[in-house]
Amino acid sequence: NAGVTQTPKFQVLKTGQSMTLQCAQDMNHEYMSWYRQDPGMGLRLIHYSVGAGITDQGEVPNGYNVSRSTTEDFPLRLLSAAPSQTSVYFCASSYGVQTNYGYTFGSGTRLTVV
Amino acid sequence: RKEVEQDPGPFNVPEGATVAFNCTYSNSASQSFFWYRQDCRKEPKLLMSVYSSGNEDGRFTAQLNRASQYISLLIRDSKLSDSATYLCVVNTLRGSYIPTFGRGTSLIVHP
Repeated sequence: NAGVTQTPKFQVLKTGQSMTLQCAQDMNHEYMSWYRQDPGMGLRLIHYSVGAGITDQGEVPNGYNVSRSTTEDFPLRLLSAAPSQTSVYFCASSYGVQTNYGYTFGSGTRLTVV
Repeated sequence: RKEVEQDPGPFNVPEGATVAFNCTYSNSASQSFFWYRQDCRKEPKLLMSVYSSGNEDGRFTAQLNRASQYISLLIRDSKLSDSATYLCVVNTLRGSYIPTFGRGTSLIVHP
């Protein structure tokens, strides 16, 4: 069981470039989400999905797009990278959020935008 | 007022000490609660869920006080390996249940 797999682990982008952060889980989890973690800010929710074909915005969605075409995959797209998007990005999944299920996190993507 | 608040610490304790962290939340409609542990430059990992009746897992005890809107984590007989950042998480219904993370409390256990 791989759990939640994120790729790449590290990435450097130039301002204005676009890229996709990949997230896949093999636990048949309904709920998937993307967070960014910045020093002193904690984890902030970017986008989330409660099932295939359903996505919604979190606290800090601007500059990011997501889609959920399958249960397993939840990619995060940066449309036009900006230095303010330099952060550590975590993908998390959960069997469901209506009960006391916790979240499994991927190992993170460290993104630097120059 | 932030939705979920934690004392950032650091809490600096000797091995063998007992240490407690609190986390307050502002939304009385919040439904489920968790403690996570995050090591430096690693992903958060679920430590334990938190129930009103309290729950214990070895040296760790978690408690929920709905009336005062806080959750607590007690660590007994601290080990060097307990050094980490402890995040509290509160799930609140907004269409779906949306988790909000506290900013974390740093614990340093020294010999």
